[in-house]
Amino acid sequence: QTVVTQEPPFSVSPGGTVTLTCGLRSGSVSTNNHPSWYRQTPGQAPRTLIYNTDIRSSGVPDRFSGSILGNKAALTITGAQAEDDSDYYCVLYVSSYNWVFGGGTRLTVL
Amino acid sequence: EVQLVESGGDLIQPGGSLRLSCAGSAFIVSSKHVSWVRQAPGKGLEWLSIIYPAGSTYYADSVKGRFSVSRDDPKNTVFLQLDSLRAEDTAMYYCATTADYRFEFWGQGTLVTVSS
Repeated sequence: QTVVTQEPPFSVSPGGTVTLTCGLRSGSVSTNNHPSWYRQTPGQAPRTLIYNTDIRSSGVPDRFSGSILGNKAALTITGAQAEDDSDYYCVLYVSSYNWVFGGGTRLTVL
Repeated sequence: EVQLVESGGDLIQPGGSLRLSCAGSAFIVSSKHVSWVRQAPGKGLEWLSIIYPAGSTYYADSVKGRFSVSRDDPKNTVFLQLDSLRAEDTAMYYCATTADYRFEFWGQGTLVTVSS
């Protein structure tokens, strides 16, 4: 069973920079896993932020960026704003026709 | 504007069955890959299944054999049939268009509660 890992709850100060990561319990994440990132606020459906590692979805502010850092996918928020206080999920394409989500990271902006 | 609307969620007893619907508007459902994703209360997201434009279907191991996805093209709707339901299937069920390996447009979800 493939397990995708994300950080436990995290906090960042307004205007600060934070990097969230997305890894595999066994193995390394590469661009072949087509990592994508989603933000979700309570009671709402997720919203796509980043796909195919580093492509911003339409309408997503440029303070959000994606990359591969070492053996993990990464989501960096540069200049965090109050509205970024949310849950963040990554998902990896781990094998043919099979996606696995990470457990999510609760980001607090304060 | 692409929209998806889920329906069919309900309170159902363990062992029961339910069919969820995902109706598309402003796009042709059969032209898109459409996935189902669920989220148990207070928990994370879980990918369940996908249907391709050609009709091929694929499932997560956790639901293979119990859930099945289908499509009704004249109704522009994708369905998820849930059988042999268990308490751990209690969740909000979302459908989402899937392109470039990401879940692009999401519906607002429909709630399934499995309880006696």
